[in-house]
Amino acid sequence: RKEVEQDPGPFNVPEGATVAFNCTYSNSASQSFFWYRQDCRKEPKLLMSVYSSGNEDGRFTAQLNRASQYISLLIRDSKLSDSATYLCVVREGSYIPTFGRGTSLIVHP
Amino acid sequence: DAGVTQSPTHLIKTRGQQVTLRCSPKSGHDTVSWYQQALGQGPQFIFQYYEEEERQRGNFPDRFSGHQFPNYSSELNVNALLLGDSALYLCASSLTGDGYTFGSGTRLTVV
Repeated sequence: RKEVEQDPGPFNVPEGATVAFNCTYSNSASQSFFWYRQDCRKEPKLLMSVYSSGNEDGRFTAQLNRASQYISLLIRDSKLSDSATYLCVVREGSYIPTFGRGTSLIVHP
Repeated sequence: DAGVTQSPTHLIKTRGQQVTLRCSPKSGHDTVSWYQQALGQGPQFIFQYYEEEERQRGNFPDRFSGHQFPNYSSELNVNALLLGDSALYLCASSLTGDGYTFGSGTRLTVV
């Protein structure tokens, strides 16, 4: 079983739609969680950290469920510019972050 | 303030050759991590350098080696290249391992 698992998609949604991605992790000692965004042929960029209480940044909401060992990312009112790959990242303490393979999102007009 | 810079941006090599990739970390960062990202996959951790020492290493063969210089810049060396080494190689810098910033990567093609 992979340490961090994501549905690769692609998720194909119209503009204005709400879309959610889940990511499961296997290491129960994981302490830090992040969502990164990666555009085609570009480097990953930090989208948001995921806190235990959940957190929101504009149209983006991240949630953590430690009991079930998954994190989620919700995007409301999707824009064409949201089209990208979303990478789930999990880290145990000071250990190296582990990346999922990413979920591809395509927002169409 | 320059972010993380990597060179070269693209590279084509032949099987069996050796390659050196370079990374200059973001100003103020002291830790450099290298990742390999194959097409359609997430970045896979190769190793991390801090204070000129390899601090952690992922599941990569000894053909992959690295170095960190006193100015915190780093090199990734790959010997005896295989076709499967074709990937995007990403360098990420951080301050003592927190808050990763990625460079735009070096796209290596082995033919």
